[in-house]
Amino acid sequence: NAGVTQTPKFQVLKTGQSMTLQCAQDMNHNSMYWYRQDPGMGLRLIYYSASEGTTDKGEVPNGYNVSRLNKREFSLRLESAAPSQTSVYFCASSESTAGGPGDEQFFGPGTRLTVL
Amino acid sequence: DAKTTQPPSMDCAEGRAANLPCNHSTISGNEYVYWYRQIHSQGPQYIIHGLKNNETNEMASLIITEDRKSSTLILPHATLRDTAVYYCIVRVWTNAGKSTFGDGTTLTVKP
Repeated sequence: NAGVTQTPKFQVLKTGQSMTLQCAQDMNHNSMYWYRQDPGMGLRLIYYSASEGTTDKGEVPNGYNVSRLNKREFSLRLESAAPSQTSVYFCASSESTAGGPGDEQFFGPGTRLTVL
Repeated sequence: DAKTTQPPSMDCAEGRAANLPCNHSTISGNEYVYWYRQIHSQGPQYIIHGLKNNETNEMASLIITEDRKSSTLILPHATLRDTAVYYCIVRVWTNAGKSTFGDGTTLTVKP
């Protein structure tokens, strides 16, 4: 039972390049999330998917797109990377977004992205 | 979601209890209090959550005041491995998934 996995672990991009961050969970969770964490700061929600087939914007969605490929997988795409997107990206999943028991999130190990 | 306020940093002696406070004075009746921690640069880890009653699990205890405007996370016997950033989050998500982790409290456990 791997939990939440993310690929790649590290990535360096040049300004204007594109890439997709992959995330998969094996806990049969309905909800999945993408966060970014800038140095010395807390996590900020980029996008989330409450259930398969739905996606919604979080706090900082600009410059990103997401795809909920199936119940297991949720990808984050940077179409034209900018230095301001240098950050650590975390994917998470939870049983639901109901806010009560069972709503605790499980996080992946993160992807460290540098945009030059 | 209600805003939370946490001290930026705290120290604790190894083997002693660590008491981490969180203020959430604007909490609504249907909002839960969640605690997570982030060790070094790993992904955050769920610790505990509660609505209005005190809660305990194998990791920690959560004490919520009667008016629910503040809470305290208690690590009963802190170890060096408990050194981390601790986040207090208050939210009800109903049909939305928006969440704000804030800056948390950096707990340093010292030998």
